[in-house]
Amino acid sequence: AQSVTQLGSHVSVSEGALVLLRCNYSSSVPPYLFWYVQYPNQGLQLLLKYTSAATLVKGINGFEAEFKKSETSFHLTKPSAHMSDAAEYFCAVSAGTGGFKTIFGAGTRLFVKA
Amino acid sequence: EPEVTQTPSHQVTQMGQEVILRCVPISNHLYFYWYRQILGQKVEFLVSFYNNEISEKSEIFDDQFSVERPDGSNFTLKIRSTKLEDSAMYFCASSEEMVNTEAFFGQGTRLTVV
Repeated sequence: AQSVTQLGSHVSVSEGALVLLRCNYSSSVPPYLFWYVQYPNQGLQLLLKYTSAATLVKGINGFEAEFKKSETSFHLTKPSAHMSDAAEYFCAVSAGTGGFKTIFGAGTRLFVKA
Repeated sequence: EPEVTQTPSHQVTQMGQEVILRCVPISNHLYFYWYRQILGQKVEFLVSFYNNEISEKSEIFDDQFSVERPDGSNFTLKIRSTKLEDSAMYFCASSEEMVNTEAFFGQGTRLTVV
């Protein structure tokens, strides 16, 4: 079965600082991995996805994530945080034997301080 | 850009009443899903649907819930005899492939049971 663990339910950074949101996955087959962002009272927006091509994936709004099979990780980073990045971020996995669904992590709320 | 649309955006219902949440998936997609997010919690899989039948359902998706594709464009989630704990954001999603691809999510319907 597939699962996702997000380390840290809350992360706080200063504006302009590096953003690092951690995600580890478990999958018995090569997974497809996703990061979604959710702004308050809004739906889910796909930030980026890993689909077994390049291990470094670039997404929208300056975010990127690196797939590391040896560490079973897919951490999300952004070099310089903006106030507008404050939101909830969900890591998710979908894999070939996991059924027909996307499994979400518990989410990490990002706070950006001025 | 094609998108998944959900109606209504917000619904308030009295406990014990039936509600139907509606979704219009992306037109060339074949796989459809419902997810639920209780306030402040993670997104949970409810059910997947393909070829006019349920492909997989979670333990949350009990006899109180049903899904239907009544015509060529709509995909509905019916909740019979709503309970207070059914209050949540419900997301519809669709995808071209069953697994290993991105699911496109709607903006959600916030259901409040009073």
